[in-house]
Amino acid sequence: SYELTQPPSVSVSPGQTATITCSGDALPKQYAYWYQHKPGQAPVLVIYGDTRRPSGIPERFSGSSSGTTVTLTISGVQAEDEADYYCQSTDNTGTYEVFGGGTKLTVL
Amino acid sequence: HLQLQESGPGLVKPSETLSLTCFVSGGSISGSNYYWGWIRQSPGKGLEWIGSVYYSGNTYYNPSLKSRVTLSVDTSENRFSLRVTSVTAADTAVYYCARQWRDQSLYYFDPWGQGTLVTVSS
Repeated sequence: SYELTQPPSVSVSPGQTATITCSGDALPKQYAYWYQHKPGQAPVLVIYGDTRRPSGIPERFSGSSSGTTVTLTISGVQAEDEADYYCQSTDNTGTYEVFGGGTKLTVL
Repeated sequence: HLQLQESGPGLVKPSETLSLTCFVSGGSISGSNYYWGWIRQSPGKGLEWIGSVYYSGNTYYNPSLKSRVTLSVDTSENRFSLRVTSVTAADTAVYYCARQWRDQSLYYFDPWGQGTLVTVSS
């Protein structure tokens, strides 16, 4: 079965830049999406189509793609960005959806 | 704006069937670019996609759950539903419903419901 791999945790100080990676064999062919998930809340889409930011999402959130790896970058991290972040994509044939294991972002 | 709300029993006995409904407000479930999905999160674990359904009834499922899962849609009531048969403790999770954009090779979930906790226990 298809898998997306994320680091379990990332830690940064306020104002620094956080980078979270997501790797998968089908990523050169399929778009990736990123979600922010805070405890007790609904997940929120922060990046779609590898690099596009939905309306209402702060500009400090950006996405990039290179080969089998996509990256979520949060510039000038704020305390409110502390959350779990999940990537999501589709298998090579568009048959089913997969989420990465999630990355816990800690703001020191 | 579009809102989704999950509804259903919070406690299900092992071997029985879990049934949840997602009520959609602020928009029609019959949009041509959208599917409607279910995603769950077991305690201490990550998100797991369960399956998605189109307003016409077309469905696609997570292969690992396909044998036990059925999705359906009721356009007259603007809602869609999830059934999981033969549940075990491993099905204990927060279950989320979400709208899934599925067009132009984009397949993302937005927005999501608040989620509902379902516990499988005797």
